Amino acid sequence: DAGVIQSPRHEVTEMGQEVTLRCKPISGHNSLFWYRQTMMRGLELLIYFNNNVPIDDSGMPEDRFSAKMPNASFSTLKIQPSEPRDSAVYFCASSYAWGRNEKLFFGSGTQLSVL
Amino acid sequence: DQQVKQNSPSLSVQEGRISILNCDYTNSMFDYFLWYKKYPAEGPTFLISISSIKDKNEDGRFTVFLNKSAKHLSLHIVPSQPGDSAVYFCAASAYSGTASKLTFGTGTRLQVTL
Repeated sequence: DAGVIQSPRHEVTEMGQEVTLRCKPISGHNSLFWYRQTMMRGLELLIYFNNNVPIDDSGMPEDRFSAKMPNASFSTLKIQPSEPRDSAVYFCASSYAWGRNEKLFFGSGTQLSVL
Repeated sequence: DQQVKQNSPSLSVQEGRISILNCDYTNSMFDYFLWYKKYPAEGPTFLISISSIKDKNEDGRFTVFLNKSAKHLSLHIVPSQPGDSAVYFCAASAYSGTASKLTFGTGTRLQVTL
């Protein structure tokens, strides 16, 4: 199994530009999570999907952030317009949610730098 | 408000000794707790977990202890090895009926020295 695949690994952009992060979850997993890692707040949950449906987006910081999951094998996190304070590592994770299953499988992350 | 707290940003331990990583939580609805390990340039990976109906869970060199009354858990690594050097995240969840939503702490960087 290839694991959770995220792209790009690194993204450097200028303030005001649109940024799109991509994620391919593990085949067969029905839950997908977007997390952001910062020194101050650790790993913050931004949004999660269950069976392609957004369940909880209360962690999305602002309207500049949006996420979609058009099918079971692909998700995007978009920031428009981007700001320097969005600089962080963004992780995608997936799991097979059947009863209690808190074991998440993470991708390698996207290091975002907004100049 | 940080519901899961890891108050020690870093810890240094000699090889062969015990490493003890601590975690505190505030939400009394949390009933499942996990530890994840993260190497540089990689995503976190699951290490060990414990349900609130237990107070201890052991897996090889790793043991997690849960004190519900104190809302405190700890991860013990015995003996510590250089390969254990990583960032350790504590996480907690309260089942919502759909997917389990994990709340993570800020992490503790463990350095195991020779």
